[in-house]
Amino acid sequence: NAGVTQTPKFRILKIGQSMTLQCTQDMNHNYMYWYRQDPGMGLKLIYYSVGAGITDKGEVPNGYNVSRSTTEDFPLRLELAAPSQTSVYFCASSYRLTSGTSNTGELFFGEGSRLTVL
Amino acid sequence: QKEVEQDPGPLSVPEGAIVSLNCTYSNSAFQYFMWYRQYSRKGPELLMYTYSSGNKEDGRFTAQVDKSSKYISLFIRDSQPSDSATYLCAADTGRRALTFGSGTRLQVQP
Repeated sequence: NAGVTQTPKFRILKIGQSMTLQCTQDMNHNYMYWYRQDPGMGLKLIYYSVGAGITDKGEVPNGYNVSRSTTEDFPLRLELAAPSQTSVYFCASSYRLTSGTSNTGELFFGEGSRLTVL
Repeated sequence: QKEVEQDPGPLSVPEGAIVSLNCTYSNSAFQYFMWYRQYSRKGPELLMYTYSSGNKEDGRFTAQVDKSSKYISLFIRDSQPSDSATYLCAADTGRRALTFGSGTRLQVQP
């Protein structure tokens, strides 16, 4: 199984450029997430989605946009790239119940996309 | 204040040592607690999962949660060089998404 696949693995952007990080999962998970990881700072949630057509902001959404048109795909769009967006970006997916009761699920991560903005 | 605090290390121990990794948290609504292991240039992988307070053991690994003191621990017995990685604690209210600590880098010296 491929699990969670992210592309590209590496990218260098100039300030002001835009790009999309692609993420696809083949586990039929309903939840998908985008985290960024800066050195010594752990993982910070950018956006997440509870299913196709539904997205919500995380801790650090400014400068990013997402869409979820299918269960499998959850692309992250960077508009007007800034040096502060230099980071490693991780996409993840999980299965969570949607019955309204609290629950959690194991996150499966991709290999990461290393982005440098110069 | 960060919701989940973790000492970044690095922590260096000799092979065979007992390792103790710790986190504290501030959100009383957290109910689910996890430890993820991340090897260099890889995505994190789930290592241990605990619901509410208590202990959970899996081979050489033991996870402990003390909700009264908001303390999360991971113990590694008989540590091996292959345990060298960054360990991330995480907590979840069950309503949204995991909140991660900053990670502790562990190096086990052969």
